[in-house]
Amino acid sequence: EADIYQTPRYLVIGTGKKITLECSQTMGHDKMYWYQQDPGMELHLIHYSYGVNSTEKGDLSSESTVSRIRTEHFPLTLESARPSHTSQYLCATSGRNSNQPQHFGDGTRLSIL
Amino acid sequence: GIQVEQSPPDLILQEGANSTLRCNFSDSVNNLQWFHQNPWGQLINLFYIPSGTKQNGRLSATTVATERYSLLYISSSQTTDSGVYFCAGGSGNTPLVFGKGTRLSVIA
Repeated sequence: EADIYQTPRYLVIGTGKKITLECSQTMGHDKMYWYQQDPGMELHLIHYSYGVNSTEKGDLSSESTVSRIRTEHFPLTLESARPSHTSQYLCATSGRNSNQPQHFGDGTRLSIL
Repeated sequence: GIQVEQSPPDLILQEGANSTLRCNFSDSVNNLQWFHQNPWGQLINLFYIPSGTKQNGRLSATTVATERYSLLYISSSQTTDSGVYFCAGGSGNTPLVFGKGTRLSVIA
């Protein structure tokens, strides 16, 4: 089982602030993902990375950006938070091969006032 | 890309009842997973099952890869089974595609 750590678990912050959501993993997985999800609704892939210095946009357009400087870390940044960014953000990882399972962190619940 | 369709979208069960959730895929997949999202929003792996049958306690899953569908069976349901069940599939080097989920409520 992958160990995936997301911080903070909850964040309530004002409009216009810069936010970085952290995701780190200890399994050495090459592939990492960010999903955005409103409670109980569909998961939307917003960013993914298949290795260091490799990032791609997902299916849902997002104003956030990501970086992958180290295998273990895949932070997501919002330069200027808006109320429309209020959501849950879930980080996931999987191994190098396409037939390996994907695992999720506990998520960050973000509320922008 | 692959389309994933889950049914039913919503399900209400009396505690102790059995149920079957279904996931259809528009194309072949070599990675297929079932997840349970609990009321706290955590997504828990249930099964990695691109083919065949697996069982874990009261839960079991069967994937018929040639017919592009998978079934999740919940027997003797408990209130703690409530939440949203997602299936997801993929092939090659593309990210998993998730279904819209089945929202299950088990009432005592």
